[in-house]
Amino acid sequence: AQSVTQLGSHVSVSEGALVLLRCNYSSSVPPYLFWYVQYPNQGLQLLLKYTTGATLVKGINGFEAEFKKSETSFHLTKPSAHMSDAAEYFCAVRKSGGYQKVTFGTGTKLQVIP
Amino acid sequence: SAVISQKPSRDICQRGTSLTIQCQVDSQVTMMFWYRQQPGQSLTLIATANQGSEATYESGFVIDKFPISRPNLTFSTLTVSNMSPEDSSIYLCSVSGEEDNQPQHFGDGTRLSIL
Repeated sequence: AQSVTQLGSHVSVSEGALVLLRCNYSSSVPPYLFWYVQYPNQGLQLLLKYTTGATLVKGINGFEAEFKKSETSFHLTKPSAHMSDAAEYFCAVRKSGGYQKVTFGTGTKLQVIP
Repeated sequence: SAVISQKPSRDICQRGTSLTIQCQVDSQVTMMFWYRQQPGQSLTLIATANQGSEATYESGFVIDKFPISRPNLTFSTLTVSNMSPEDSSIYLCSVSGEEDNQPQHFGDGTRLSIL
């Protein structure tokens, strides 16, 4: 079975500071990995995805994530936080090889302090 | 990516009643999913709804409580039956392409409160 662990249910950063949201996964086969963002009163919006190829993937709103197989990690980063980044972020994993269900992490709520 | 519209966006219901949530997609999709997101928690998959077949329910969810229809490739409904306060949640419709490397895309959800 696959699983996702997001360290830190709440993260606070100052505006302009680095954003780092951690995600570790377990999967018996090469995974597909995703980050989603959920703003208040909205659904989930895809930020970025890793399927194959380049391990550093860039997404929307200046976010990027790096797939590190040796560390089974897919941490989300952004060099400089903006107030509009305040939201909840979910990491998700799906096993490759035929359709598999997506497993979501428990989410990390990002607070940006002015 | 597909545009997904959910109705209603929110509702307040009396216990013991039922509510049907609609999910409309602007393109044909094979796989549709219904999720529940309880307050302050992550997403839990209720069922997978593919056109032309019965919905597949996850452990802990049953058809009598959450009947699902999928009449065509652009539409699905989820009914929450005989509601109790424990059913107060956000219900999210999601779609995905057939290829396993494709992400899921979500509607804005239905925020349901049961009194």
